Amino acid sequence: DQQVKQNSPSLSVQEGRISILNCDYTNSMFDYFLWYKKYPAEGPTFLISISSIKDKNEDGRFTVFLNKSAKHLSLHIVPSQPGDSAVYFCAASALLTYYGGSQGNLIFGKGTKLSVKP
Amino acid sequence: DGGITQSPKYLFRKEGQNVTLSCEQNLNHDAMYWYRQDPGQGLRLIYYSQIVNDFQKGDIAEGYSVSREKKESFPLTVTSAQKNPTAFYLCASSDRPNEKLFFGSGTQLSVL
Repeated sequence: DQQVKQNSPSLSVQEGRISILNCDYTNSMFDYFLWYKKYPAEGPTFLISISSIKDKNEDGRFTVFLNKSAKHLSLHIVPSQPGDSAVYFCAASALLTYYGGSQGNLIFGKGTKLSVKP
Repeated sequence: DGGITQSPKYLFRKEGQNVTLSCEQNLNHDAMYWYRQDPGQGLRLIYYSQIVNDFQKGDIAEGYSVSREKKESFPLTVTSAQKNPTAFYLCASSDRPNEKLFFGSGTQLSVL
């Protein structure tokens, strides 16, 4: 049973426009959320995170929004650039509730492949 | 430069053979992890270790073994009991358990 779902396997966006990647979760104990970017045959790199005490976190072109009532988070990339083309993974954990325990382990979604076209 | 080094980049396993994937970090992180990625799938946790000489099974530990004799090193052995070992293996570390993970560049394991 998937606890973290990225329902769009792929997304295509024009350069300069906004990219919106979505993620849904089912476990109400999750309190820490992260987005990772991954190029083929490379390890994921951390992009941005948000804790459940916030509903928005911004870092340059990247903004993550968290809607706890809907159990939904999204990553906005503005403006999108061709170099942003990669697979984006959403991850969640029950960090504060289960700190150090196996229940607190990060759970990853299946990823969304973003293509930014020039 | 601090980081996580995985080797080899590509590895081939024969039927019935055990193979070991190396993971070394110089970030002084206490926690280390092994994930497996299959095409079109997310990252699934194999094993993790929060401190030297201690490790715990993740969601898909069957057919794998690990050791954590040094803080810097967390090798993963794919045993012959793992019937479907072909995958991209990722090692990660974090300063504190379950917080932001730093990943290595991965090892692609294939079966001959």
